[in-house]
Amino acid sequence: GAVVSQHPSWVICKSGTSVKIECRSLDFQATTMFWYRQFPKQSLMLMATSNEGSKATYEQGVEKDKFLINHASLTLSTLTVTSAHPEDSSFYICSARRQGIGYEQYFGPGTRLTVT
Amino acid sequence: KQEVTQIPAALSVPEGENLVLNCSFTDSAIYNLQWFRQDPGKGLTSLLLIQSSQREQTSGRLNASLDKSSGRSTLYIAASQPGDSATYLCAVNDDYKLSFGAGTTVTVRA
Repeated sequence: GAVVSQHPSWVICKSGTSVKIECRSLDFQATTMFWYRQFPKQSLMLMATSNEGSKATYEQGVEKDKFLINHASLTLSTLTVTSAHPEDSSFYICSARRQGIGYEQYFGPGTRLTVT
Repeated sequence: KQEVTQIPAALSVPEGENLVLNCSFTDSAIYNLQWFRQDPGKGLTSLLLIQSSQREQTSGRLNASLDKSSGRSTLYIAASQPGDSATYLCAVNDDYKLSFGAGTTVTVRA
């Protein structure tokens, strides 16, 4: 149990366009989901914490107008990269925490975004 | 702000040797600590999770210890195999968020 999926697994988009990444908890309800970014040969950096039904909390230095997060249900959170630029190219990973059960996070397989 | 450090950054060993990976963190007020494995271009695979009240966790050839008071955790991998080659990440859970170390990249030579 505790499976998290992401879609798409990879995406290439042109500079200036927007791209949406989905994160789903497949077999559990997640009141909280997290979005991370990982640049090549670097570790994961938390971008934002997403709570179902409320606004996301962004980490310092993350532009909330550029990285739009929506957590409309207990199994789905989306990250939209607006007006993408080549410097937004990265590996985006989401995680989910089970409703009411501990603090463990379950990770999705990641989405590779390349902006040309 | 929690700072997580992993030493060494890279490690190369011959097959069969035991691996010792170190993780240190600055704030000992944690809920748990987790070790992950990441293969190139892939997501994270959870290896072991140690609750703050525990001293160690074991799974097969893997053993992780936690000394919360000194802010240290060690991951031991016994009898390494080429398939153990990957990057190993340590993550500390505090304030409901995970803080990751930069990882140790392990190469096991056949």
